[in-house]
Amino acid sequence: EAGVVQSPRYKIIEKKQPVAFWCNPISGHNTLYWYRQNLGQGPELLIRYENEEAVDDSQLPKDRFSAERLKGVDSTLKIQPAELGDSAVYLCASSLEPMTGNTIYFGEGSWLTVV
Amino acid sequence: QKEVEQNSGPLSVPEGAIASLNCTYSDRGSQSFFWYRQYSGKSPELIMFIYSNGDKEDGRFTAQLNKASQYVSLLIRDSQPSDSATYLCAVGGYTGKLIFGQGTTLQVKP
Repeated sequence: EAGVVQSPRYKIIEKKQPVAFWCNPISGHNTLYWYRQNLGQGPELLIRYENEEAVDDSQLPKDRFSAERLKGVDSTLKIQPAELGDSAVYLCASSLEPMTGNTIYFGEGSWLTVV
Repeated sequence: QKEVEQNSGPLSVPEGAIASLNCTYSDRGSQSFFWYRQYSGKSPELIMFIYSNGDKEDGRFTAQLNKASQYVSLLIRDSQPSDSATYLCAVGGYTGKLIFGQGTTLQVKP
C-alpha cells in the first residue's frame, strides 16, 4: 500500500515568491494534516482536515498561507509571498480518523529554502 | 511552559546499554501518547503508542505512562548504533490534535 506522497521534495525560492506543496494521503484516510518542522524542533500543526473540512487551522498564518482539500482526498498548501522564516520542512500526514485512537502516518516532507 | 517537553540532548549511551527517553506534558486531559523516531533528513516514523497507565512492551522498546505525574517515557534495551536518531514524543487529546515535543537526540556509540 502506498504511503503519504508529497511533492516537490525540495524547493528553493527567493523571498516574496509563491510556493505550493501537494499531498496525497493514504487511501481511505479521512483525516489529513499539514505540519511544519523547523530545524531542531518537533513538528508543529498548521492545519487539520476531516474530509474536506478544515477543523483546526488555528496555527496557520492566514495572511500568507492557504490550504485546500478538494474532494476530501489530495491537499495543497500554498505560501504567498514566502518569507525567509518560512524555510522549514512541510510534512503532510494522514490517519483513518481523528488522531485519538488512531496513529498518523507522515509523508517524506517538502523541504523549503527561502533565500 | 511548553505543552510537551523533552530534553533535547544529545543523550549518549554505549552499544548494548539501556537508553531512557523522557517526556512531560501539561494537559491533564491528554488521552494518547506516541513515540516517533526521526532519522536525520527523514520524516517521523511511529515506534509505539500507549493509552493506559503502566508499561507497554514491543521488542526492545518499552513505553511507560504515568498520567498522575503527566510523564511518559521510552526505554530502549540493548541499544544499537542504528537506534541513533531523534525521538519525538507526541501527545493527543479528545480534540484530535497531536502535539509534539522538540525531540531528544540519541547517540549510541559502538
